[in-house]
Amino acid sequence: AQSVTQPDIHITVSEGASLELRCNYSYGATPYLFWYVQSPGQGLQLLLKYFSGDTLVQGIKGFEAEFKRSQSSFNLRKPSVHWSDAAEYFCAMGGGNKLTFGTGTQLKVEL
Amino acid sequence: GAVVSQHPSWVICKSGTSVKIECRSLDFQATTMFWYRQFPKQSLMLMATSNEGSKATYEQGVEKDKFLINHASLTLSTLTVTSAHPEDSSFYICSARDSSQVSGELFFGEGSRLTVL
Repeated sequence: AQSVTQPDIHITVSEGASLELRCNYSYGATPYLFWYVQSPGQGLQLLLKYFSGDTLVQGIKGFEAEFKRSQSSFNLRKPSVHWSDAAEYFCAMGGGNKLTFGTGTQLKVEL
Repeated sequence: GAVVSQHPSWVICKSGTSVKIECRSLDFQATTMFWYRQFPKQSLMLMATSNEGSKATYEQGVEKDKFLINHASLTLSTLTVTSAHPEDSSFYICSARDSSQVSGELFFGEGSRLTVL
């Protein structure tokens, strides 16, 4: 069965520190993978996506993610976190028209 | 980028009443839209796929008579929560893909928060 796992429910980092949010997937083939960010009471904004090709994907707001087939992972990274990055982050996997979401990681940024 | 708009952003209603939530693609056509439900501090769960001009496809466990979906045009899908009860209180989010794009991005609405008293 298809599934997306985000092992970390909450993460707290200091402003300026680096960030890595973990995402693992289970799928029979190479999936389409996405990272979304959701601010409180808001919809989702796409940060980046991976369909094929270069396994290191650059996104908006300085985020990047690396697809590692051997580890079934698609971790999100940012070299230096800003206070405005505090939000909920969702990893998602898509096949056809449907997206399967992970349970999300709540990011808190300490000033 | 493409915009998907939901209305209302939030609604409070009495138990037993019905509530309609609209999802519009503002600058593109979408033959398919998706409705998600998000419980507090949880992920998004796909409720149904809304197909323009035909019946919606519901996910397992979602009551189609409870959550009526209508996709009357290429830019509008509506979700009606019938005879709402407090347990229906949730954040409902729709998404849509530009039908003219081969591998188009899914665009999400800003969500509609329903509170049933």
